[in-house]
Amino acid sequence: QQQVKQSPQSLIVQKGGISIINCAYENTAFDYFPWYQQFPGKGPALLIAIRPDVSEKKEGRFTISFNKSAKQFSLHIMDSQPGDSATYFCAARGGGTSYGKLTFGQGTILTVHP
Amino acid sequence: NAGVMQNPRHLVRRRGQEARLRCSPMKGHSHVYWYRQLPEEGLKFMVYLQKENIIDESGMPKERFSAEFPKEGPSILRIQQVVRGDSAAYFCASSPSSGGESSYNEQFFGPGTRLTVL
Repeated sequence: QQQVKQSPQSLIVQKGGISIINCAYENTAFDYFPWYQQFPGKGPALLIAIRPDVSEKKEGRFTISFNKSAKQFSLHIMDSQPGDSATYFCAARGGGTSYGKLTFGQGTILTVHP
Repeated sequence: NAGVMQNPRHLVRRRGQEARLRCSPMKGHSHVYWYRQLPEEGLKFMVYLQKENIIDESGMPKERFSAEFPKEGPSILRIQQVVRGDSAAYFCASSPSSGGESSYNEQFFGPGTRLTVL
């Protein structure tokens, strides 16, 4: 029940295209859903986050869509650029005995071809 | 405004030695979290600490691993008698508090310590 399932494992997109990464969860106690971007050899960097009372949040080229009834959320990267090539992790916070703990998806390796 | 600092960035230990990983949270942050990332895998929660308190250690292996966040100084993740399976990247994150209605209380990650056990 604590799992967050992320797909696809890897994604190849042409420059200018839309990248879509999906995540699903089971625990309805989760109350905050961030996305992190990680480059090789670096720590995860917070990209964008959403709470379940909002269905969509947009920041620049990045949009989170949230479907509370389906317990799914997704990251859309518009006008994808080669510099967006990285590993993306969805996460969910809360639930269980620890309010602060983040549960991460397995990650999606995004490659944007020029 | 310095971010989360971790040291060392790379650590090599032989089997049976001790590894000490340090984390200094962002200024104004009083909550620290440790996560482990095995090669080609996602991040797994290990432990959540506040100053002088362990809040949640549900992700810590039962033996050889311990963590502390003293009143003064950085948080320390200690691994005793390391084995090859401990080789991983260990990330520390900090937040101003654990959550609640007032804000997102985002967790910000450090650059990690890459532990290699020979």
